[in-house]
Amino acid sequence: AQTVTQSQPEMSVQEAETVTLSCTYDTSENNYYLFWYKQPPSRQMILVIRQEAYKQQNATENRFSVNFQKAAKSFSLKISDSQLGDTAMYFCAFAGANSKLTFGKGITLSVRP
Amino acid sequence: GAGVSQSPRYKVAKRGQDVALRCDPISGHVSLFWYQQALGQGPEFLTYFQNEAQLDKSGLPSDRFFAERPEGSVSTLKIQRTQQEDSAVYLCASSASGTDTQYFGPGTRLTVL
Repeated sequence: AQTVTQSQPEMSVQEAETVTLSCTYDTSENNYYLFWYKQPPSRQMILVIRQEAYKQQNATENRFSVNFQKAAKSFSLKISDSQLGDTAMYFCAFAGANSKLTFGKGITLSVRP
Repeated sequence: GAGVSQSPRYKVAKRGQDVALRCDPISGHVSLFWYQQALGQGPEFLTYFQNEAQLDKSGLPSDRFFAERPEGSVSTLKIQRTQQEDSAVYLCASSASGTDTQYFGPGTRLTVL
């Protein structure tokens, strides 16, 4: 069975600064996908970024980038130039051959003005 | 284009009542997933459909939970004889195929009194 661990329950960052959210996972599969989802207080889960395990290059989406370390089973999210709208709960998630998502417990990120 | 929609957005049920939660996936999406999210936690997988076939129902917590997708589009999650521990947000997600990115609906918040 897969597990996803987000050990930091909450973080705070000043607007315009950079913050990194940590995630580790455990799996015996070789082909899988990793995701970061954002859930603002309205509760709609929104995809932030996706990484295919077979790709060595780290995924980037505008201000969001990941540091994917396959051997270490680590998948951290870096948010650059933090904005007030980035305030939300962030979930790291894993999808393997069975397609279902396994989520971490999430981290609450607060961006301070 | 239209995203995943769910109804009702909020449901209050008395213990012992039956409830039905509806999910309209993104048009053309083959795969549909249901997740349960307790307060302050990450979503947990309930069940997965590919078209009308229920391929995985391993996450359903008891035989009181039943899901269907008879025509391969709209899905209904039914909970019989609701209990207080069923109180949660029920999230629906759809994807173009099993391994593609899952897009989430706004969820149905179920409160059992």
